[in-house]
Amino acid sequence: GIQVEQSPPDLILQEGANSTLRCNFSDSVNNLQWFHQNPWGQLINLFYIPSGTKQNGRLSATTVATERYSLLYISSSQTTDSGVYFCAVEKNFNKFYFGSGTKLNVKP
Amino acid sequence: SQTIHQWPATLVQPVGSPLSLECTVEGTSNPNLYWYRQAAGRGLQLLFYSVGIGQISSEVPQNLSASRPQDRQFILSSKKLLLSDSGFYLCAWQGLQETQYFGPGTRLLVL
Repeated sequence: GIQVEQSPPDLILQEGANSTLRCNFSDSVNNLQWFHQNPWGQLINLFYIPSGTKQNGRLSATTVATERYSLLYISSSQTTDSGVYFCAVEKNFNKFYFGSGTKLNVKP
Repeated sequence: SQTIHQWPATLVQPVGSPLSLECTVEGTSNPNLYWYRQAAGRGLQLLFYSVGIGQISSEVPQNLSASRPQDRQFILSSKKLLLSDSGFYLCAWQGLQETQYFGPGTRLLVL
């Protein structure tokens, strides 16, 4: 299967700070998504971004498919941004591979 | 709009007992459906996926099985639970642009 590595594993921020989360993957992919898992376990899709750049409010993501990495930017972080951020990729046959996540703690 | 349901929300079962977790999707037809397991503090591991009724693909050999008796129903089962089956079980469906949407999950503790 595809190896997906996320960094950093843990991140502590002061409210209002900016951050960049990284996802590296070991093979070419057809599908890449970023998810946020809140403290209650609910996973919410943030971006579908197999290539290019997208923005949604304070969040944006960039995937450089040729270099096999994706970045998630969080600007002006809020306490509600806390949780775990996952990157997931799919090459074919509907098989999705998740990274181990970045656990973000935003302090007031 | 589409909604995905999972039940029960939490479950405590003794080792060796059977298991049945149910997932249903509303508001879409013939979705791709997925079962994942998340161990504490870890990422998600794909267990099974289904592209249609009766069509199940298994990713990890183990004592779990899955079935899809109806278009929008996906069931995860076990005949005899092991301690290592404890975890957070998530069902997901695949929508437009191949985006995955997750249910609220079932927390299973095997004692």
